[in-house]
Amino acid sequence: SAVISQKPSRDICQRGTSLTIQCQVDSQVTMMFWYRQQPGQSLTLIATANQGSEATYESGFVIDKFPISRPNLTFSTLTVSNMSPEDSSIYLCTYRVNTEAFFGQGTRLTVV
Amino acid sequence: KQEVTQIPAALSVPEGENLVLNCSFTDSAIYNLQWFRQDPGKGLTSLLLIQSSQREQTSGRLNASLDKSSGRSTLYIAASQPGDSATYLCAVYSGGGADGLTFGKGTHLIIQP
Repeated sequence: SAVISQKPSRDICQRGTSLTIQCQVDSQVTMMFWYRQQPGQSLTLIATANQGSEATYESGFVIDKFPISRPNLTFSTLTVSNMSPEDSSIYLCTYRVNTEAFFGQGTRLTVV
Repeated sequence: KQEVTQIPAALSVPEGENLVLNCSFTDSAIYNLQWFRQDPGKGLTSLLLIQSSQREQTSGRLNASLDKSSGRSTLYIAASQPGDSATYLCAVYSGGGADGLTFGKGTHLIIQP
């Protein structure tokens, strides 16, 4: 399995600002996924990041709020834009090898 | 639509006890089931992966079983230690949708020293 590194690990941000989260994998993977975990809740898929094409967003998530980049097969970013306290969550990137999922260390975001 | 339920939501036991965490899913058409560990504010660490054709998997003090036909899995932790304290998440991979993964809400486990 590839090693997946995510940063920052945590941040406290002012409302109205934006934060970009980076996810780096040490080998090439076709698809990467971004999840959100709100306090006390399970994980919800935000979008699928494919290299060379626009990300595919799940219902309830839009590109203007969560723009995603996937410049190559080892890297992706998720931006949380115009943040409000409701965006306080853990954000996780993940990829799959065959059918097994591997996760980054997560970014714990607090919006004040 | 696949739904995953984990029982109990929280569990607190003294150190040294053996314990069982439960996971159930509504659609038995799955490719595999994964158990993860999540420490507070952190990402997910994969503990065990059981393919749909398998009945169980073991890693150290952990044993996970799968009964696909009844839509159930259990995670058995032997001789629990305070370092086992974490949230344990169960996820099934059904292959449908963008990622095909459906998560339970987790069991928050506390092992008392």
